[in-house]
Amino acid sequence: SQQGEEDPQALSIQEGENATMNCSYKTSINNLQWYRQNSGRGLVHLILIRSNEREKHSGRLRVTLDTSKKSSSLLITASRAADTASYFCATDALAQGGSEKLVFGKGTKLTVNP
Amino acid sequence: GAVVSQHPSRVICKSGTSVKIECRSLDFQATTMFWYRQFPKQSLMLMATSNEGSKATYEQGVEKDKFLINHASLTLSTLTVTSAHPEDSSFYICSARDQGYTEAFFGQGTRLTVV
Repeated sequence: SQQGEEDPQALSIQEGENATMNCSYKTSINNLQWYRQNSGRGLVHLILIRSNEREKHSGRLRVTLDTSKKSSSLLITASRAADTASYFCATDALAQGGSEKLVFGKGTKLTVNP
Repeated sequence: GAVVSQHPSRVICKSGTSVKIECRSLDFQATTMFWYRQFPKQSLMLMATSNEGSKATYEQGVEKDKFLINHASLTLSTLTVTSAHPEDSSFYICSARDQGYTEAFFGQGTRLTVV
C-alpha cells in the first residue's frame, strides 16, 4: 500500500508563480524524501528532511515536515517551465525481506506554463 | 550524484518471449537494488528488493517465477520478464542504494511493450 499521498494530483501554474505540493503519510518515519520525475524518465532525488527537522531549504525548494500531522509540503518558488514534472514524496518502510524500501506517494503532476 | 545506468530504455517484444533489463551502478557499490513498476500516470510500485549475492525478496502479489531478478555483483542487477504478455507492458525502474545511505539513485527506466 502507498505510504505517502500527495495532493493535489495535478497542478498547473504560470512561470514565476510558486508551486506547493503536499504529502501525507500514515506511519512514523525517520525521514521523508522528495523526488522528481520527468515524463518517461527515472527519478531524481531532490531533498531529504529528517523527522527531527521542521523545515529545509535547497535553492528554490523549501520542504516542511509536521510529524504531528504526518504531513510534508514541497514549495517551489519562482517556478520555471523546466520545473514541469511529477513530484513524489517517499518514506522508508520495511520490505518483505527486512531491507528498507522507499514507498512512494501517488505524485503531483506539475505543469508550469511559459 | 551517483549514477545508475539502466538499459535498454525501450524494448518491444513478442508475446511469449523473455526480456532482460540491466541496472548498473557506475560509481558506487549498490548493496541493495530495488525494482519498481510504474503504470501510466501512477506511482511506483515496488516489485522486489535484492541484496548482492542473495535471492531477491518479492513484494506480495509479484510472481517471482515471472520476474527473475539476479544481483550477482555489487554493481549489477538484472530483471528478466519471462514469457512476457501484453499485460506486462509497463515502465520498469531500478533503484540502488549503498549500505548506510538513505538516498536512492534511480535508473532512467525501461519502457516495455509486449505485442
